[in-house]
Parts: sequence; structure tokens; C-alpha cells
Amino acid sequence: GENVEQHPSTLSVQEGDSAVIKCTYSDSASNYFPWYKQELGKRPQLIIDIRSNVGEKKDQRIAVTLNKTAKHFSLHITETQPEDSAVYFCAGMNNNDMRFGAGTRLTVKP
Amino acid sequence: NAGVTQTPKFQVLKTGQSMTLQCAQDMNHEYMSWYRQDPGMGLRLIHYSVGAGITDQGEVPNGYNVSRSTTEDFPLRLLSAAPSQTSVYFCASSYAGLAGGTDTQYFGPGTRLTVL
Repeated sequence: GENVEQHPSTLSVQEGDSAVIKCTYSDSASNYFPWYKQELGKRPQLIIDIRSNVGEKKDQRIAVTLNKTAKHFSLHITETQPEDSAVYFCAGMNNNDMRFGAGTRLTVKP
Repeated sequence: NAGVTQTPKFQVLKTGQSMTLQCAQDMNHEYMSWYRQDPGMGLRLIHYSVGAGITDQGEVPNGYNVSRSTTEDFPLRLLSAAPSQTSVYFCASSYAGLAGGTDTQYFGPGTRLTVL
């Protein structure tokens, strides 16, 4: 089955700086790659996703890039704010089977 | 719309007991799934369903059963609870085609289960 690895496990940035989280996947047939944000004690919420026929997608301060050849995808958050502090998860899906990375705890210092 | 609902919010079981975690959605979603979340390990897929009458195993299915008799409901049954099943359980749903594509996945609020 699919295996998704996520780095780094923790990330601390100053408010206004950019944050980058990277994931790699093993199954070349995976075709859907979402990113979720989870605040403490809350449910995961989708923040952005990308499909295998697209190389990049942007939504305001958040962007995701996908390199199918290298089997890796990345989340980019620009102009970080304290409210961006949370745990972020990447995931890869093939044929309805979703596998998650272990998560990145992002802390944005005011 | 209530979205995805889960009951109970908290549950404590003794080893060997059985129970059912309930999940319902009112968005007419075809795809529903169950995950468990353990500290430092992200979410792991237990079982999923692409429509009423169709279920399949995910990454960690052992010790759990599911059924999908209606589009709205997708209960998760623990057959004989073990301490290793102590976790937070999330149900999720989305529109999905059977060909493997999917759409935004909405999560329920979670059930925190402790097995003593």
C-alpha cells in the first residue's frame, strides 16, 4: 500500500515568515493529495488539495506543489500568522485508500 | 446540514467488551471512512465505503467491523476491545466516484475511546 512520509515533524517560524512542509509518497498510482490542518482537540480540516494532473495550486497565502516524477509534494504558507499555528497533515490517495503523513506541528511566534 | 456527526464523544470500555461507534452524514455523500488517530502517528484508515452495501479494508482493519446499509450511516464495531484500541476515532465523508477520485473530505468531531 501507499506510504507517506512528512518532514519536518516540528517547525517554528516568526510571524510574517514563510513555512514549507514536505511529503513524499511511494505509490506512483496515487492521484489525490490533500493537506489538512488540525488545531488542538479539533477535527482535521482540509486547507488545500491537488490532483495528479496538476503541478501547482494556490489559495491566497497557501500553495501546494506536486512533483510526480520525484513523488513528492509540498505545502507553502506565506506571511504566516499566529493563527496558522496547528498540526498539518499531508495525505495521498489511490483508489479510495487514503494514507496520511505523521504530521508537522507548526508554531508561529508573534 | 448537520454535516458529519459521531456518537458518543467519549467512551471507556473494559478489555473484551464490544461496542459500536456511530457515524452519520446528511450530505448524501457516497464515500465514508473511519480513521484512528494516535499521538505522533497521524491518522490511519481503518475501513471505508464507496456506497451503500460496499465496504473495504484500510490500513489497520483488524479488530474492527463495518457495514453500510444506508447512504447516511456507517457504524464501526469493536468486536472485543483491547487496550491497543485506545485512540481517537474520526469518521469522514465526501462525494466520490468509484473510479478512485475524490472530493473534499469532511471529518466528524471524533470519539475518544479508552480501553482499560
